[in-house]
Amino acid sequence: DAGVTQSPTHLIKTRGQQVTLRCSPKSGHDTVSWYQQALGQGPQFIFQYYEEEERQRGNFPDRFSGHQFPNYSSELNVNALLLGDSALYLCASSRGGRHYLSYEQYFGPGTRLTVT
Amino acid sequence: ELKVEQNPLFLSMQEGKNYTIYCNYSTTSDRLYWYRQDPGKSLESLFVLLSNGAVKQEGRLMASLDTKARLSTLHITAAVHDLSATYFCAVDSGGGADGLTFGKGTHLIIQP
Repeated sequence: DAGVTQSPTHLIKTRGQQVTLRCSPKSGHDTVSWYQQALGQGPQFIFQYYEEEERQRGNFPDRFSGHQFPNYSSELNVNALLLGDSALYLCASSRGGRHYLSYEQYFGPGTRLTVT
Repeated sequence: ELKVEQNPLFLSMQEGKNYTIYCNYSTTSDRLYWYRQDPGKSLESLFVLLSNGAVKQEGRLMASLDTKARLSTLHITAAVHDLSATYFCAVDSGGGADGLTFGKGTHLIIQP
């Protein structure tokens, strides 16, 4: 049973460029959440996708956008990259809806983004 | 806005000693999570605490939740070097499976 997978593992981009990160959820999960973790900090919630729609969003600018596909995989897009966007980007999956069982989020290995 | 505070943020301790990490949060929630993160790695789920008074134990780690005090603790018993890592608590502000709000983490070093 594959867990949460993310690609690529590492990425180096230049300021102003755009980047797309990918995530495949754990088998049986249909909800994907994205987090940004700056060095030495706790993860910060970016947004969550469920049923191919953005269900919840954290305090991130519109430069951060996402998408969820019918197979539940997801993409995170960041436009007009800034140096401050350098971070570990974590994807987490969970079971959908607000049933009490859909509470645990499983994290992927992350994508390390460096903006120069 | 939900705020999650952990203390201490840094802890150096000797093997064999006991210690407690504290996690306070600012708004009502009955779902609290503890994660472990090794350097350069992702988050590993340790405990999920879903109700007031919940207590869970795994090996030398025990976590508890007091929703009335908005406080969770992670207790380490007879620490060993392998427990060296950064520990995060996180709170779910919604009805479940929502975005988590994390504390800043406790960087734990256990020395022989």
